Amino acid sequence: TQLLEQSPQFLSIQEGENLTVYCNSSSVFSSLQWYRQEPGEGPVLLVTVVTGGEVKKLKRLTFQFGDARKDSSLHITAAQPGDTGLYLCAGDRGSTLGRLYFGRGTQLTVWP
Amino acid sequence: NAGVMQNPRHLVRRRGQEARLRCSPMKGHSHVYWYRQLPEEGLKFMVYLQKENIIDESGMPKERFSAEFPKEGPSILRIQQVVRGDSAAYFCASSPPSVPSYEQYFGPGTRLTVT
Repeated sequence: TQLLEQSPQFLSIQEGENLTVYCNSSSVFSSLQWYRQEPGEGPVLLVTVVTGGEVKKLKRLTFQFGDARKDSSLHITAAQPGDTGLYLCAGDRGSTLGRLYFGRGTQLTVWP
Repeated sequence: NAGVMQNPRHLVRRRGQEARLRCSPMKGHSHVYWYRQLPEEGLKFMVYLQKENIIDESGMPKERFSAEFPKEGPSILRIQQVVRGDSAAYFCASSPPSVPSYEQYFGPGTRLTVT
């Protein structure tokens, strides 16, 4: 069973559209991270959120951590083909220092 | 600045052979983590090491798998007597000692294929 569930699993959109990816759990996390992974490469850290209700913006990407620290979302405005990739959320439980729990990811394809 | 380095990038082993995967953390990082990514599955934690210490190996199979991070040199993940089910991408991550270990930076991975 996955501790973190991501939805949707696949997302295919046209350039210029907006999208939101979700990361949900029934468990509380001390922090959540979002990574992007391209084929044949390792995950690249995009952002870390640590406070319930926290919102972080990275250019066209907006990340939110749920008030109860059980869920997170990633919103992309005006998607571009360069945003194509596998988006992974990961979280730490605090009590298990060093271990990150990963979702299965959302594969995003942005068509020109 | 050099990132996390892993080698080899691709490794092919026959069943029963040994696989050795190497990881050099980012400069200044003293914490190393190993994860495995199977097709259609997310990354799964295997082991967390600091220099000369295994901190948490609860995600690593108890048989055939071992990991070390010596005082000098890279971290090594060793898989003895490989089986087809070991075929996966193995990722190493590192974090600096001065920040919480949830901020982990990943290497490009080693793709292990067992024939």
